[in-house]
Amino acid sequence: AQKITQTQPGMFVQEKEAVTLDCTYDTSDPSYGLFWYKQPSSGEMIFLIYQGSYDQQNATEGRYSLNFQKARKSANLVISASQLGDSAMYFCAMREVPPYSGAGSYQLTFGKGTKLSVIP
Amino acid sequence: DSGVTQTPKHLITATGQRVTLRCSPRSGDLSVYWYQQSLDQGLQFLIQYYNGEERAKGNILERFSAQQFPDLHSELNLSSLELGDSALYFCASKKSGEGGPRDTQYFGPGTRLTVL
Repeated sequence: AQKITQTQPGMFVQEKEAVTLDCTYDTSDPSYGLFWYKQPSSGEMIFLIYQGSYDQQNATEGRYSLNFQKARKSANLVISASQLGDSAMYFCAMREVPPYSGAGSYQLTFGKGTKLSVIP
Repeated sequence: DSGVTQTPKHLITATGQRVTLRCSPRSGDLSVYWYQQSLDQGLQFLIQYYNGEERAKGNILERFSAQQFPDLHSELNLSSLELGDSALYFCASKKSGEGGPRDTQYFGPGTRLTVL
C-alpha cells in the first residue's frame, strides 16, 4: 500500500498567488516526521519544511507553510506569493520512527511528486 | 548548497559494466543514505550507513553494494549494469543514526547514470 499519496501530478499557479500541494500519508506509528522537498529541473533535492507528528503548531518556513491535519493524515504544502523560481517538482516524504529504534533506520518514503508550474 | 557532494555528476556507460558513485556527507554527519530516482519507480531508498556500518537496506539489488569509509565518505557500486539501472542516484546525509524524526536529511546534487 502506498504510504505517501500526492494526487496532483501537475499544478499551475499564477505568479504572486498562493498554491496548495496535497499530500496524504498512511502510518500506524505514533511518532513520525513529514518533509517536503523541491526538485528543480536541475535535479537537486532541496529541503523545504518539516512537520513532526507531535508538533502542536503547523510548520512555517518563509513563504512555505504546512497545513497539518493529523486526524485526516494530510500534510499539505502551502506556497504563498508564488514566484517563477518556484516552478519545480515537489515531493512529500515521511519518516516513521519504529518503537525500538536502537537498530532502526530513518529512511524517507516519498510520494510520486507534483509538478508545479508558475505562470507569469 | 546542501553541503553534500557527489561525484561524478554524469556517468554514461554500457550494459554489463561496473561503476562507482561517490558521496561526501556534510561535515559532522555520520549517516549516509542512498536513493534511486527513476521514471517508473520514483524515489526509492536503497541503503543506509551509519558511522561505517550498514544500518538498513531498502530496495537494493544484489548487483549493487555500498560502503562507508572511516572518513565517512560513501561509495555505491553498481555492477552488471542493465538499461533499467539508468536513473538519478542521490546520496543524503544527516547527523545521527538515531535521533528523533526531526533530523533532516540533506541531499547531494545526484549522479545521473545512463546505461546504453
